[in-house]
Amino acid sequence: AIQLTQSPSSLSASVGDRVTITCRASQGISSALAWYQQKPGKPPKLLIYDASNLESGVPSRFSGSGSGTDFALTISSLQPEDFATYYCHQFTSYPNTFGQGTRLEIK
Amino acid sequence: EVQLVESGGGLVKPGTSLRLSCVVSGFSFRGYTMNWVRQAPGRGLEWVSSLAGSSGSVYYADSVNGRFTISRDNAKNSLYLQMSSLRAEDTAVYYCARAGVGSGWERGAFDIWGQGTMVTVSS
Repeated sequence: AIQLTQSPSSLSASVGDRVTITCRASQGISSALAWYQQKPGKPPKLLIYDASNLESGVPSRFSGSGSGTDFALTISSLQPEDFATYYCHQFTSYPNTFGQGTRLEIK
Repeated sequence: EVQLVESGGGLVKPGTSLRLSCVVSGFSFRGYTMNWVRQAPGRGLEWVSSLAGSSGSVYYADSVNGRFTISRDNAKNSLYLQMSSLRAEDTAVYYCARAGVGSGWERGAFDIWGQGTMVTVSS
């Protein structure tokens, strides 16, 4: 199975900061990668698919990049509602896999 | 409104069975690959199973292969997960999700999620 390793596992930042979360795949997955945001007690919400495509309705401060094995999610200017846990997900092959998550906390 | 609603969770004893349901509304269920994803308390997301929309192919995580069965009833717009030989480590919130966007045949990112149903396996 393809393993996804997210960095960092947790991150403290302030409103207005620019933050980047990375996701590394154990083998090449082309661009078949998605990013999700999850808040406590809620299901995940899709932010980015195909590595860099912004899901409809998601603010433009979110962006994704990368292909092959190295990917990144960037939030250009953190807003209060962005403090949550973020997951990457590869869907190039089965079993699908998720990264272990990155918890973004308020500094 | 596009919606997925799960049901069927509960408290069960180890070794027993349970069937989860996911009722779909607001889109044509037939053509999409549908998925189950679970999340143990305080843990991350774990993909469990997928049922491809066109081919009907099914896929399972190693942790549930041979114990869980995914199926669908297009007439009822419903996806199911039959779980047997349940273990304590199957305790989790189970989400139904649609693979609705992304390139790739019968696979994609999960754009629509249900609210989840809690399964607790304990004696």
